[in-house]
Amino acid sequence: ELQLVESGGVVVQPGGSLRLSCAASGFTFGDYSMHWVRQRPGRGLEWVSLISWNGDSTYYADSVKGRFTISRDNSKNSLYLQMNSLTSEDTALYYCAKDRRAIGEGYMDVWGKGTTVTVSS
Amino acid sequence: QSALTQPASVSGSPGQSITISCTGTSSDVGYGYVSWYQQHPGKAPKLMIFDVSNRPSGVSNRFSGSKSGNTASLTISGLRAEDEADYYCSSYTSSSTLYVFGTGTEVTVL
Repeated sequence: ELQLVESGGVVVQPGGSLRLSCAASGFTFGDYSMHWVRQRPGRGLEWVSLISWNGDSTYYADSVKGRFTISRDNSKNSLYLQMNSLTSEDTALYYCAKDRRAIGEGYMDVWGKGTTVTVSS
Repeated sequence: QSALTQPASVSGSPGQSITISCTGTSSDVGYGYVSWYQQHPGKAPKLMIFDVSNRPSGVSNRFSGSKSGNTASLTISGLRAEDEADYYCSSYTSSSTLYVFGTGTEVTVL
């Protein structure tokens, strides 16, 4: 069974940092691009970041550029999101999602259940 | 990059067909890299359509997608109670933000 399991979501103070992780199983992780997508409470989906299959290419939404860093470790079947300079606007449920292709097409065919990040003092 | 525009809600009776629109610009929807996601309350999104009109394996053929100019559409035919969910379109965009989602549409089965 194809599965993605996110972890690392906690309550953090404004200006703080956090690292999210996503463990993949049931497919050859290193063959696919991976995304982070977030959903603020009661709101719609927002694409956050993409990393290519080998980690050589990374892309970010304007709202997180310069603050978030996506990375992956194919030997550990794991995806990460380092989040710095957090604000209340970053409070959301963060999903990790698999792309259909090695070079991201933006078509996310496997999703985790998400991990919740709350930025509050 | 603003979110793509979708109607807030669409409703229909069981067995009917409904269509959800997704309006963007020539810098996003116009490129033709459009997908649709279904999200039930408290659940993760599910890919329903990619490349404007292609269905992933396992998705019912009651779901179909199309595009005209800068507006994409998702049609659900033979509406069923289990189709009640939120639906989001998504598109590649040539702006500095690589992908953008729509505002989301709540589908209600009457």
